[in-house]
Amino acid sequence: QITLTESGPKLLKPTQTLTLTCTFSGFSLSTSGVGVGWIRQPPGKALEWLAFIYWDDDKRYSPSLKSRLSITKDTSKNQVVLTMTNMDPVDTATYYCAYSVRFDPWGQGTLVIVSS
Amino acid sequence: QSALTQPASVSGSPGQSIAISCTGTSSDVGGYNYVSWYQQHPGKAPKLIIYDVSKRPSGISNRFSGSKSGNTASLTISGLQTEDEADYYCCSYAGSSNFHVFGTGTKVTVL
Repeated sequence: QITLTESGPKLLKPTQTLTLTCTFSGFSLSTSGVGVGWIRQPPGKALEWLAFIYWDDDKRYSPSLKSRLSITKDTSKNQVVLTMTNMDPVDTATYYCAYSVRFDPWGQGTLVIVSS
Repeated sequence: QSALTQPASVSGSPGQSIAISCTGTSSDVGGYNYVSWYQQHPGKAPKLIIYDVSKRPSGISNRFSGSKSGNTASLTISGLQTEDEADYYCCSYAGSSNFHVFGTGTKVTVL
């Protein structure tokens, strides 16, 4: 059974950097073909894909946020880390991580509020 | 990369069938057979219900079906049930640079 859990700060001030950790079980990120993605959802709004990392360290980013995002993996800890720089109130959202390019399954999500 | 276009809301009575459209471009929906659909109940994480345009994951009811024509994909829910009331999002592969794009989301109401 594959499970994913997001963790990180719940409140940030504008201009700060967000660091989120996705801790997973049920698969290994050293297995060929495997990957983990990040998706966010502002309150009451639609889903937005952010980033994806493959087992071979191939990384993909949303073109509109590419300059602010970084995704890394720690295979030994079964973790994927997303960092987003220069946070703004419009970045307030629930941030999810999900397994594979099918995004299945998802973690429960973590709400990040950006406010001064 | 713009979001895929979905109707804001669709409604139907129990037992009826409804369809939700998802319109993109030849660079996403029309260019690849990698459209997926997600169901999201209030306060919950999204759940995959259709992938690769028309395939259902294990455990997903056959009342859910997917199709695609040109730049528009569709999700059909047949035999509508009260538990189908939720938000639904489509998602398409958009090439190696843009990778994935989600739809604007559709709220399904069971009357």
